[in-house]
Amino acid sequence: DQQVKQNSPSLSVQEGRISILNCDYTNSMFDYFLWYKKYPAEGPTFLISISSIKDKNEDGRFTVFLNKSAKHLSLHIVPSQPGDSAVYFCAASAETGNQFYFGTGTSLTVIP
Amino acid sequence: DSGVTQTPKHLITATGQRVTLRCSPRSGDLSVYWYQQSLDQGLQFLIQYYNGEERAKGNILERFSAQQFPDLHSELNLSSLELGDSALYFCASSSRGSGALQETQYFGPGTRLLVL
Repeated sequence: DQQVKQNSPSLSVQEGRISILNCDYTNSMFDYFLWYKKYPAEGPTFLISISSIKDKNEDGRFTVFLNKSAKHLSLHIVPSQPGDSAVYFCAASAETGNQFYFGTGTSLTVIP
Repeated sequence: DSGVTQTPKHLITATGQRVTLRCSPRSGDLSVYWYQQSLDQGLQFLIQYYNGEERAKGNILERFSAQQFPDLHSELNLSSLELGDSALYFCASSSRGSGALQETQYFGPGTRLLVL
């Protein structure tokens, strides 16, 4: 049972435009969410996180939005750069839980 | 470079065999996590160790076991291997030492296991 879903396996965006990666979750107990970025032959790298007490968190070109009522979060990358081309995973956890649940990833390609 | 090392990078073995994957966490990190990523799947949490003790368990099969040694490196043992065990196995470590779930986890490059 996939509690965290990334329904778009891939996304292509022109350099300089906005990339929007989406993630849905089913467990209403989840209260902490993260995005990881993964290049080929490397492990995932932490990108940005958000707690359920917020609905937005920004870090430079990266912004994560959380819509708790819709059980949906999204990652915005503005402006997109070729170096952003990677697989992006979202993950979620519950304060009372003992693990992160990861989505299946979205492969982002930024076209120069 | 995350500072987390994993060996070997690649492993090819046969069904029924046993293998050991090794992970060295970042210097100073007390928590080690193991994940499995099968084809077209997200990362599945297997198990967490904190300072030598098992802290949390996820979807780890009984054929799999892990331990963390006094020098904090960890090993994941996979036995009676099946074709479906072919996957990428990642190790991660976290820094604050409390083992709390919301610490940032730093991932190693993974071990790719192929069971033939």
